[in-house]
Amino acid sequence: QKEVEQNSGPLSVPEGAIASLNCTYSDRVSQSFFWYRQYSGKSPELIMSIYSNGDKEDGRFTAQLNKASQYVSLLIRDSQPSDSATYLCAVNMNDYKLSFGAGTTVTVRA
Amino acid sequence: SQTIHQWPATLVQPVGSPLSLECTVEGTSNPNLYWYRQAAGRGLQLLFYSVGIGQISSEVPQNLSASRPQDRQFILSSKKLLLSDSGFYLCAWQSTRELGEQYFGPGTRLTVT
Repeated sequence: QKEVEQNSGPLSVPEGAIASLNCTYSDRVSQSFFWYRQYSGKSPELIMSIYSNGDKEDGRFTAQLNKASQYVSLLIRDSQPSDSATYLCAVNMNDYKLSFGAGTTVTVRA
Repeated sequence: SQTIHQWPATLVQPVGSPLSLECTVEGTSNPNLYWYRQAAGRGLQLLFYSVGIGQISSEVPQNLSASRPQDRQFILSSKKLLLSDSGFYLCAWQSTRELGEQYFGPGTRLTVT
């Protein structure tokens, strides 16, 4: 079983819609969770961090964490063409290492 | 603010040639440092990490090695490159004062021919 799994893409959404990205993880003791955005040919950029159960909002992005279900998600509201990228879910497995999902590619249609 | 540099940005090397990629971090002290590789269309593979000068942990046995000669410098090396070493090499740093957030450098795109 993979440590971090993301919903398979690609995900295509119309401009202005909500893009919903899902991620599950296997290690129950994981404490911190991250979403990175990676544009084609570029390095990953941290866009959200979440540590407690519930929702965390930052602009058009909302991260949701449910530790009991070992599930973390990212919602992108009012999707824009500039949101077209691959989104990586990452989970802190111990103090030093992150485990990354394979990524979900999002395309926002104008 | 913290800044992470990598060079070179792109590199084309023949099979069997040596490799040296460098990463430096500014604006922080005693960071944890990481080397990842991302093959085309694939996820991130952790290669090495370091929690201090001279301290290197290897995640994947292969023909690559890493060194940390200074607090904010991390070097990835190979004596003889293989075709399978092609990929996007990413250096990242993590503050030991935070809960696991890692920040990536711009990356080096390596093509082995």
